[in-house]
Amino acid sequence: GAGVSQSPSNKVTEKGKDVELRCDPISGHTALYWYRQSLGQGLEFLIYFQGNSAPDKSGLPSDRFSAERTGGSVSTLTIQRTQQEDSAVYLCASSLVSGQGSFGYGYTFGSGTRLTVV
Amino acid sequence: KNQVEQSPQSLIILEGKNCTLQCNYTVSPFSNLRWYKQDTGRGPVSLTIMTFSENTKSNGRYTATLDADTKQSSLHITASQLSDSASYICVVSNGSNAGNMLTFGGGTRLMVKP
Repeated sequence: GAGVSQSPSNKVTEKGKDVELRCDPISGHTALYWYRQSLGQGLEFLIYFQGNSAPDKSGLPSDRFSAERTGGSVSTLTIQRTQQEDSAVYLCASSLVSGQGSFGYGYTFGSGTRLTVV
Repeated sequence: KNQVEQSPQSLIILEGKNCTLQCNYTVSPFSNLRWYKQDTGRGPVSLTIMTFSENTKSNGRYTATLDADTKQSSLHITASQLSDSASYICVVSNGSNAGNMLTFGGGTRLMVKP
């Protein structure tokens, strides 16, 4: 597609429910990133995919968070048993960066999914 | 339309040299401007956050400036090191810090060579 598409744009869920957030990157972009932005906080890195593998999962805050990417394209971020502290905007970005030492083009971010846990 | 433009798109310098990265924005209303460093394959790390009233802020060898009148910011790196090789992203917020209230620059790719 022309840009990075995220869905839904807004999600309100009850505490304890599971949610799935979707990211559709720019076609041909091999790298895909998930970030989280809580109110008043900066970007918080969650996980990075190179193709279908995730070399860096260091930012996932707990084992309730998981993500997968299939076909080197669409990625889903799943949050199980949501808690109120999970409320944030979840941003996805993609780029042509192909790995350590290479310099790809600009990162294109999606518009985010605003998750509210009530 | 809110926009953040960064220049140059990429930059190669020799170790030990200084460099300056530019960020121009048209975001309105303005809340704060952030510079992030992102190593290849890693998440971005915040370097500075500047509000309307701040003109200069330093973080080690990094010094950011902000001119709210001209809507320009710069990030100056002194005595560059090989570990400075990364992407530097300028992000401007118009108030809520929500994802759709952030305008991201495309980044500057910096490579420091020995």
